[in-house]
Amino acid sequence: GESVGLHLPTLSVQEGDNSIINCAYSNSASDYFIWYKQESGKGPQFIIDIRSNMDKRQGQRVTVLLNKTVKHLSLQIAATQPGDSAVYFCAEIPGNTGKLIFGQGTTLQVKP
Amino acid sequence: EAGVVQSPRYKIIEKKQPVAFWCNPISGHNTLYWYLQNLGQGPELLIRYENEEAVDDSQLPKDRFSAERLKGVDSTLKIQPAELGDSAVYLCASSLEGATGELFFGEGSRLTVL
Repeated sequence: GESVGLHLPTLSVQEGDNSIINCAYSNSASDYFIWYKQESGKGPQFIIDIRSNMDKRQGQRVTVLLNKTVKHLSLQIAATQPGDSAVYFCAEIPGNTGKLIFGQGTTLQVKP
Repeated sequence: EAGVVQSPRYKIIEKKQPVAFWCNPISGHNTLYWYLQNLGQGPELLIRYENEEAVDDSQLPKDRFSAERLKGVDSTLKIQPAELGDSAVYLCASSLEGATGELFFGEGSRLTVL
């Protein structure tokens, strides 16, 4: 079946460094991608989204890159802070389904 | 503005017992979702409501799970009878109509079935 997945289950970075979290998707019909952050004991929180007619979108300290050729999505976090420690999920909406499909998540650990 | 409110936060029951979860979405959000999240996994959609109408319940195990959203605001998700494999976090989310990517999640209800 179609799925959204992440390359690495855990990423450990030093505070102040930049973080890059990767995601591979398999559904070529997907045209909308979203990154969510989930802290321990809480529900996922929307970070940033990107549509398939774009290859880059920037937010506050975060950038999402989309490479449709290789079906790859990444989230870049600049100057990573301890508060960025969480599980990060990429998610996609295939075509006109309106159904948000989550990948398995990458745990980001920020070392002081 | 208050976020999505869920209760109870934690529930421990024995198998074959019933359980119910309640969700109050953000005011003005017409779309309400129930997701299931197993440990270490991403959330999986169980059911999506547009106002009172369940527009996608294809992933809801209807033999034991039921949901309702009377008056298009609060919603309840029920499991009867619960099985060991139902142990998970049940997340409720809401969004503005048409904003299918930007969901606002509650903190979830963690169910443990013994």
